[in-house]
Amino acid sequence: DAGVTQSPTHLIKTRGQQVTLRCSPKSGHDTVSWYQQALGQGPQFIFQYYEEEERQRGNFPDRFSGHQFPNYSSELNVNALLLGDSALYLCASSLGTPRYEQYFGPGTRLTVT
Amino acid sequence: GQQVMQIPQYQHVQEGEDFTTYCNSSTTLSNIQWYKQRPGGHPVFLIQLVKSGEVKKQKRLTFQFGEAKKNSSLHITATQTTDVGTYFCAGRDTGTASKLTFGTGTRLQVTL
Repeated sequence: DAGVTQSPTHLIKTRGQQVTLRCSPKSGHDTVSWYQQALGQGPQFIFQYYEEEERQRGNFPDRFSGHQFPNYSSELNVNALLLGDSALYLCASSLGTPRYEQYFGPGTRLTVT
Repeated sequence: GQQVMQIPQYQHVQEGEDFTTYCNSSTTLSNIQWYKQRPGGHPVFLIQLVKSGEVKKQKRLTFQFGEAKKNSSLHITATQTTDVGTYFCAGRDTGTASKLTFGTGTRLQVTL
C-alpha cells in the first residue's frame, strides 16, 4: 500500500518563474492538504482540496493555486516566484472529514535563486 | 488569526531523563494532533485528542488535552535516542474546520 508520494524531490528555480508540484495521496484517501515549511519552522497551511474543490485556504497570496484531479491527486502551482518561497512543500492526505489524521508525503524542497 | 505556540523551543536531555513539551493555542480547539518530525524527514502523525481533559498514552508517551481545549502537552518518560526529532502540536480551530494550524515545535536532542 503506497503512502503519499510527491514529485519532484528537489527543485531549483529563478525568481519570477513558475513551478508545479505534484502529490498522489495515500490509497483510499480523498482529501489533500498542502503546507509550506520554512527551515526551522512548523508547516504552514496553504489550502485543502476535497472533491476537486478548494475547501479552505490559509494566508497565502493568489500566486499560490492548486488543483485536484478525479483520481484525488493534486498539484500546487506557484507563480512569480520570490526568494521567500524557498521552503519544503508538504502534501498531506486524509480521508474525508478533517477530524481524521493526516499522512504526509516526503515533501518537495524548492529553492528560489 | 489563530496562533499555536510551543515551549520550550529546544531541549537537550540525557538518555533516561523525562521530557515535556507544552502547546498553547490563542483560540479554542475542536481537536489537537501531535506529530513527530525527524531531522530531514516529514511530519509523522502520533495521536489525536478530541475531548476536554482527555489523556492518552502510547508506551512511554503521554498526551493531555486541557480542560478549556486551548492547551495540550506531550510527556516522554525515560527518553531514548530514537526520540530525537521535533515535536509539533497542530490544532483545528472550532471555526475553521479544515485548517490545521501547527505549533512552533519543540526540538528534542537526546544524548547518551
